[in-house]
Amino acid sequence: DSGVTQTPKHLITATGQRVTLRCSPRSGDLSVYWYQQSLDQGLQFLIQYYNGEERAKGNILERFSAQQFPDLHSELNLSSLELGDSALYFCASSVSVGGSSNTGELFFGEGSRLTVL
Amino acid sequence: AQSVAQPEDQVNVAEGNPLTVKCTYSVSGNPYLFWYVQYPNRGLQFLLKYITGDNLVKGSYGFEAEFNKSQTSFHLKKPSALVSDSALYFCAVRDGYNFNKFYFGSGTKLNVKP
Repeated sequence: DSGVTQTPKHLITATGQRVTLRCSPRSGDLSVYWYQQSLDQGLQFLIQYYNGEERAKGNILERFSAQQFPDLHSELNLSSLELGDSALYFCASSVSVGGSSNTGELFFGEGSRLTVL
Repeated sequence: AQSVAQPEDQVNVAEGNPLTVKCTYSVSGNPYLFWYVQYPNRGLQFLLKYITGDNLVKGSYGFEAEFNKSQTSFHLKKPSALVSDSALYFCAVRDGYNFNKFYFGSGTKLNVKP
């Protein structure tokens, strides 16, 4: 168990709909990353937050947005869903950026599998 | 540009034989290098990392990796493969200057046959 919790584990919805994926990082981790993994694909970096602030942005569509709340949990919002958005969405966390205790690795949740019909 | 390359989509090896999964990187500054394993429908699990020091890093489940600065490589190895090692393996690098940036390779599927 990595300590990173993602909900829901599975989600089935229709095209055009909107969903919210939730992530609770490991206790003490300030940094949250979101990744998308489509079938037989590698990991596509979407966005990263550190202590509530957006710090890095990857190939995230305009239909997607995210935020990190004061309690450090994060949500990824996906709207106007298309068939091609079906994928596994992973959240990962790490200790504070630049801190002396920063060992560098990311800790991944089990993912949220989104199916758009 | 920063990048991580895993040149092999798939590696096939017989149980009991040594295995190598290749990774090369390009990143500014001193790299922080990682290997992860992903089993079907699961999240990525951390295997090992190289930050500094000895070029041979030992990790979980008997895996090790060799850092080669001149060849900018960080190949994953195991002396004797198990069928249960069959999974998807990802190499990753954290930018040594911008610690926010974490790059993953495209993944290599390891098939270990009995």
